Amino acid sequence: AQSVTQLGSHVSVSEGALVLLRCNYSSSVPPYLFWYVQYPNQGLQLLLKYTSAATLVKGINGFEAEFKKSETSFHLTKPSAHMRDAAEYFCAVSDETGTYKYIFGTGTRLKVLA
Amino acid sequence: GAGVSQSPSNKVTEKGKDVELRCDPISGHTALYWYRQRLGQGLEFLIYFQGNSAPDKSGLPSDRFSAERTGESVSTLTIQRTQQEDSAVYLCASSLGGANEQFFGPGTRLTVL
Repeated sequence: AQSVTQLGSHVSVSEGALVLLRCNYSSSVPPYLFWYVQYPNQGLQLLLKYTSAATLVKGINGFEAEFKKSETSFHLTKPSAHMRDAAEYFCAVSDETGTYKYIFGTGTRLKVLA
Repeated sequence: GAGVSQSPSNKVTEKGKDVELRCDPISGHTALYWYRQRLGQGLEFLIYFQGNSAPDKSGLPSDRFSAERTGESVSTLTIQRTQQEDSAVYLCASSLGGANEQFFGPGTRLTVL
């Protein structure tokens, strides 16, 4: 069965520091992978998606993620954190059975320190 | 343009009561999904609609949960005889189908007392 693992339920970084949020997946077929962000009291917003084109995917707000098949990873990075990046981040894989429902990781809450 | 909307935004109910949660997807989106987000947990899939039919109901936690979709548009998630463990944020998402991006609504926060 497909699954997504996000290491670190809480991550703290200083403003201006590198952001690295980890996501590992399991899938028997080439996956579709997504990162969503959830700001406080708001819905989920797509940051970026991997759909088997380029392995380095650029998203909104300066985020990017690299698909590494050998490591079954899709880690999210941003070179320099801003206070406004404080939010919860979810990694998801699209189901391989044809419904394309998402299987989500448990989320990582990012705190940005001034 | 209009995004996915959900109503009510908050619902407080007493244990044992029935509740209905509504989702208005983006116009033209044939695929509609319901997810649940319980406190401190990730999002879990509940049900998937393609058009008005639901080929995947595998995530519904019990027979107290049901959902329908009409006119390839609005969907209603009904929870009968609510229990405290049903307390969660219920999220609806829609897409053009296939591997296209899902657009999420703001959710309905359900609290069962």
